[in-house]
Amino acid sequence: NAGVTQTPKFQVLKTGQSMTLQCAQDMNHEYMSWYRQDPGMGLRLIHYSVGAGITDQGEVPNGYNVSRSTTEDFPLRLLSAAPSQTSVYFCASSYGGGAGNGYTFGSGTRLTVV
Amino acid sequence: AQSVTQPDIHITVSEGASLELRCNYSYGATPYLFWYVQSPGQGLQLLLKYFSGDTLVQGIKGFEAEFKRSQSSFNLRKPSVHWSDAAEYFCAVEKGNTGKLIFGQGTTLQVKP
Repeated sequence: NAGVTQTPKFQVLKTGQSMTLQCAQDMNHEYMSWYRQDPGMGLRLIHYSVGAGITDQGEVPNGYNVSRSTTEDFPLRLLSAAPSQTSVYFCASSYGGGAGNGYTFGSGTRLTVV
Repeated sequence: AQSVTQPDIHITVSEGASLELRCNYSYGATPYLFWYVQSPGQGLQLLLKYFSGDTLVQGIKGFEAEFKRSQSSFNLRKPSVHWSDAAEYFCAVEKGNTGKLIFGQGTTLQVKP
């Protein structure tokens, strides 16, 4: 049982490049979500999913794309990276959300866009 | 739209002193409420959560929180702080059971020896 696994841990991109941040969980959690963390801003929700095939936008979805084809994986795609997307990204998963066992977070991906 | 406010950006307490971190939320119904802790360079760890029942919730590491509907608050408390409690603390709210978790800005706790 590995929990929530995020890859890569660090990434440097050039402006305009695209990439995918990976998130996988092996706990059969139906809820998964992506956050970005910036100093003084807390964590802001980018996109979330309540099950395979179902996704929705969070607070700051612009510039990011997601899909959920399996229960285990929830990749986050940056379509054309911008310096404003420099941040630490966290993935989270849950069985039952707040009524269940709460949310488990991955260890994060630190992304720098130059 | 739901929102979460943590009024204190930074708090310093002496080791052994009591601690209270404030959290206020804006949401029409009773939300699901969480407190998370983040040590430097680490991910987030769940301290405790509330979604129904007893309004005083016990968590890990000796923390507790009290849900007060009339004040829209969910403050985190600890009777005696240890140096290892120095970290950043986040309050979060989930609207119903939607998977949409919204965080406050966080409170950084510094512990003086």
